[in-house]
Amino acid sequence: GIQVEQSPPDLILQEGANSTLRCNFSDSVNNLQWFHQNPWGQLINLFYIPSGTKQNGRLSATTVATERYSLLYISSSQTTDSGVYFCAVLTGGGNKLTFGTGTQLKVEL
Amino acid sequence: KAGVTQTPRYLIKTRGQQVTLSCSPISGHRSVSWYQQTPGQGLQFLFEYFSETQRNKGNFPGRFSGRQFSNSRSEMNVSTLELGDSALYLCASSYRLARDTQYFGPGTRLTVL
Repeated sequence: GIQVEQSPPDLILQEGANSTLRCNFSDSVNNLQWFHQNPWGQLINLFYIPSGTKQNGRLSATTVATERYSLLYISSSQTTDSGVYFCAVLTGGGNKLTFGTGTQLKVEL
Repeated sequence: KAGVTQTPRYLIKTRGQQVTLSCSPISGHRSVSWYQQTPGQGLQFLFEYFSETQRNKGNFPGRFSGRQFSNSRSEMNVSTLELGDSALYLCASSYRLARDTQYFGPGTRLTVL
């Protein structure tokens, strides 16, 4: 099956810093989503981005499907950005998402 | 629109018991998928339903089963619980298959003693 790798696995930032999270996948995909998992476990949808670039406030994402990677940019980080960030890809005709192992982000004052 | 809801939010069971978890998708969504999250295995796909039909199943034993009702609500059942079934169970809904954004519920945290 498809392999999804995320880097870095852990990241500690000072409030106000910028960061880039990376997601590599081993095969072509129909769909790619970025999620933020909050401390209570809920997965919050950040971007649906099978290709191209999108921005939402301080967050933006870019997927280069031909090179099989996606990047999530967080600018001017805040303590509320802390949590685990997952990318997930979808292949085939169904709705089975394959998740990466996540990036644990901690933003400190 | 209301988001995806899951009940119960927390559950404690003992080995050998069975459990049923419920998921109500976003209004109008017809696809529901279930995932298990554990510290060791991460997020793993259990199964997906669309219009009351199971479309895909992950690599889990037959003790894990599910169904979807005509109103798109879904239930999953785990029989003969084992300690390793302790996990966060998440469901996701989307309007169609394959190319729509999937939205997740808050999850059910199951502890097996």
